[in-house]
Amino acid sequence: EAQVTQNPRYLITVTGKKLTVTCSQNMNHEYMSWYRQDPGLGLRQIYYSMNVEVTDKGDVPEGYKVSRKEKRNFPLILESPSPNQTSLYFCASSTPRTSGSYNEQFFGPGTRLTVL
Amino acid sequence: QKEVEQDPGPLSVPEGAIVSLNCTYSNSAFQYFMWYRQYSRKGPELLMYTYSSGNKEDGRFTAQVDKSSKYISLFIRDSQPSDSATYLCAVGGTSYGKLTFGQGTILTVHP
Repeated sequence: EAQVTQNPRYLITVTGKKLTVTCSQNMNHEYMSWYRQDPGLGLRQIYYSMNVEVTDKGDVPEGYKVSRKEKRNFPLILESPSPNQTSLYFCASSTPRTSGSYNEQFFGPGTRLTVL
Repeated sequence: QKEVEQDPGPLSVPEGAIVSLNCTYSNSAFQYFMWYRQYSRKGPELLMYTYSSGNKEDGRFTAQVDKSSKYISLFIRDSQPSDSATYLCAVGGTSYGKLTFGQGTILTVHP
């Protein structure tokens, strides 16, 4: 089954304790992205990657890191989490957009993070 | 000003009602327009996608885009309890792969 998986699905942690949220896709997609979803703010892009070893900042990158060493995996790293990073996180992937078309982004099931 | 503004709702309608969900956007460079549906405890899924002004119909759903007024809408006819979800508008086309989402509208259709 074609899918995007994330782990863990739920995480409660404390301020300053480094954590990693994993994301993996089995569709051979080049493009991957991380979003956070907060009430009243919708989905906001944190980082994205156009291919292996190619990453760039989205709209809200502060406090986050990413890496893309393999095509299928795109982990999100919080080196020193703070309470304002409490949120619902989604990973997404798609094939590259060609001119004049849109390629659907497939989302993972989400990771609910609470930072105390 | 946010790039995409969506009527926040929440919306609660009886089964069979016609639902109208709306968004406005500020950047005329956006080229494609989407509606995603998100069920509780799930990731968003693409519902409708349009590339130009006009209407696009898919069963009970109609997506409408008016580029001149930078306005996008989703209409749901004969709404069903299974349509209860959060609906997110999204726009794209200004940079590689990037989508900009509205805030989302929570819709509840009660029997």
